[in-house]
Amino acid sequence: QKEVEQDPGPLSVPEGAIVSLNCTYSNSAFQYFMWYRQYSRKGPELLMYTYSSGNKEDGRFTAQVDKSSKYISLFIRDSQPSDSATYLCAMSALSGTYKYIFGTGTRLKVLA
Amino acid sequence: GAVVSQHPSRVICKSGTSVKIECRSLDFQATTMFWYRQFPKKSLMLMATSNEGSKATYEQGVEKDKFLINHASLTLSTLTVTSAHPEDSSFYICSAPRGGGEQFFGPGTRLTVL
Repeated sequence: QKEVEQDPGPLSVPEGAIVSLNCTYSNSAFQYFMWYRQYSRKGPELLMYTYSSGNKEDGRFTAQVDKSSKYISLFIRDSQPSDSATYLCAMSALSGTYKYIFGTGTRLKVLA
Repeated sequence: GAVVSQHPSRVICKSGTSVKIECRSLDFQATTMFWYRQFPKKSLMLMATSNEGSKATYEQGVEKDKFLINHASLTLSTLTVTSAHPEDSSFYICSAPRGGGEQFFGPGTRLTVL
């Protein structure tokens, strides 16, 4: 079993839809959770950063962490064609090494 | 926000040559940086952890003599691909964690070995 599981997609949605992206993990020691957006041939861009459980909102993006279920989500409201990219989840234990484990990424296509 | 830069953004070289890629944290110091490799439509594969003032830590299966890492200062890490071959062609990305736990990535370097 991989430490982090993420559906590779592709996920196609119409413009304006609410998008839900998810990752599951197996290591209960993970404390730091991040979502990155990566456009083709570019480096990943940090979207959301969450420590421990709970929700965090930033504009159209909401990140949720459910440590009891070992499940994290990223919601995108009012999706736009410019949101079309690969979304990577990443997580790390409270080890001080900042060594993160990445999901495989979900390819999202928002259709105009 | 924090910025991590990489240079060059793209390099094409002949087989057998060595290529150096620089990674800089522009507005914060990073005692640790990470080097990743990414194949098309695949996720990031951690190659090594670069440690300022000490030797890099390599992931299993990554050749230390092939991918030389030097963390010369708190803002600069370099990856040198020695005697590059076509199978080394890939997208190389570095990252640097800031004190709060967030990790920021560079824009990546696309290496093509002919």
